[in-house]
Formats: sequence, C-alpha cells, structure tokens
Amino acid sequence: NAGVTQTPKFRVLKTGQSMTLLCAQDMNHEYMYWYRQDPGMGLRLIHYSVGEGTTAKGEVPDGYNVSRLKKQNFLLGLESAAPSQTSVYFCASSYRPQGAGELFFGEGSRLTVL
Amino acid sequence: AQSVAQPEDQVNVAEGNPLTVKCTYSVSGNPYLFWYVQYPNRGLQFLLKYITGDNLVKGSYGFEAEFNKSQTSFHLKKPSALVSDSALYFCAVRDIRGYNTDKLIFGTGTRLQVFP
Repeated sequence: NAGVTQTPKFRVLKTGQSMTLLCAQDMNHEYMYWYRQDPGMGLRLIHYSVGEGTTAKGEVPDGYNVSRLKKQNFLLGLESAAPSQTSVYFCASSYRPQGAGELFFGEGSRLTVL
Repeated sequence: AQSVAQPEDQVNVAEGNPLTVKCTYSVSGNPYLFWYVQYPNRGLQFLLKYITGDNLVKGSYGFEAEFNKSQTSFHLKKPSALVSDSALYFCAVRDIRGYNTDKLIFGTGTRLQVFP
C-alpha cells in the first residue's frame, strides 16, 4: 500500500525554468492538496482539489498552477521558477474535507531554484 | 479569523520524563483541533484530533492531548518521552468556510528533542 507518492524527491532549477511535480494516491481519496513548507512558517496551502476535474486556490497560489485530470493524480506546475519558490513541497490527500479528518502526506519534494 | 499558535520553537526533555508541547487557538464557533508529527525527511503523520466529547484525546504512539476551552489550549502530552519521539510537531485548527472549502491552518511547528 503506497499511500501518497511524490515525484521527483529532489530537483534543482535555474530561475525561469519550468517543472511539474506529480502526486499520486492509491486510497481513492476525493480531496488532494499541495503545501509548501518553509522554516518558521509551518505549512501553507498552495492549491487544492475537491474531486477529479476541480481545482481551487489556497493561501499562496501565485506562481503555481495545478491540474487534476485523474482522481488519483494531482500535478503542481511552476511555469517560470523563482528563487522564492525554493521550498519543500508536500502533497496530501483525504477522504473528507481537510478540516474534518485525517490528511495523508507524501514524503515531500525538495526544490531549489538558483 | 481562525488561528493557531505554538509558542515554543523547541522543547527539550530527558528520556523517561513527561513531555508537553503547547498549542493555543483562536476560532469562532466550536474548534476542530489536530496534532501532526513530522519525522526527519518524512511527510507529516496524523497523531490525534479533537472534534467533540471528552476533553482528553488519545492518539498514536502513546500521545494524548488535552482540550481546554477556557484557556483556548490544546496541549500535546506524553507521560514518558522516548528518544524516538524527537521530531517536529504541528498543531492545526479547522478554518470553516463551507463543507467543501474548509481548510486546516497549521501552526509554525515545535521541535521536540528527547535526550537519552
């Protein structure tokens, strides 16, 4: 039982480059989320999805785009990376809205933008 | 607006001693409160939650949390700390804006260091 899987785990980009982070879950969860974790700031929600084909903005959506074409996958894209996007990114999923139940997290993707 | 605060960046405790990691909250309405733990180079793992009922909530790995409405606190506790409990702990509160749009607001985290 893999749970939530994120790829890649590490990536170094140059300013202006683009990339996509992939999140896959095998628990048939409706809800999926992308967070970023920065020192002293906890976790901040970037975008989320309440079901296949839906996406919504979170707390810090600027500079990111997302897609949920399949229920099990949630993609996070950076069109033109900036050093401020250097962070650790976590994907999570849940069977209920995140405020009501348990979130299941991936192991994180560490992104460095030079 | 809903918010949660973890007043301590780090808590140090000797193995075998009781531990407390503090969390205070500010919500309108009844709070839904959570604790998550993050071990090094891993994602967050759910520990426990309070939604309603008994003020003492028991969770994974021997942890428990006490909900105190008058003090607006939800402190995480364990009677006897283990070195393996060393990790980053996050308190979170539900931000209610509708069934499909409610979110979690996380605190900034408290690093727990248990010394042998």
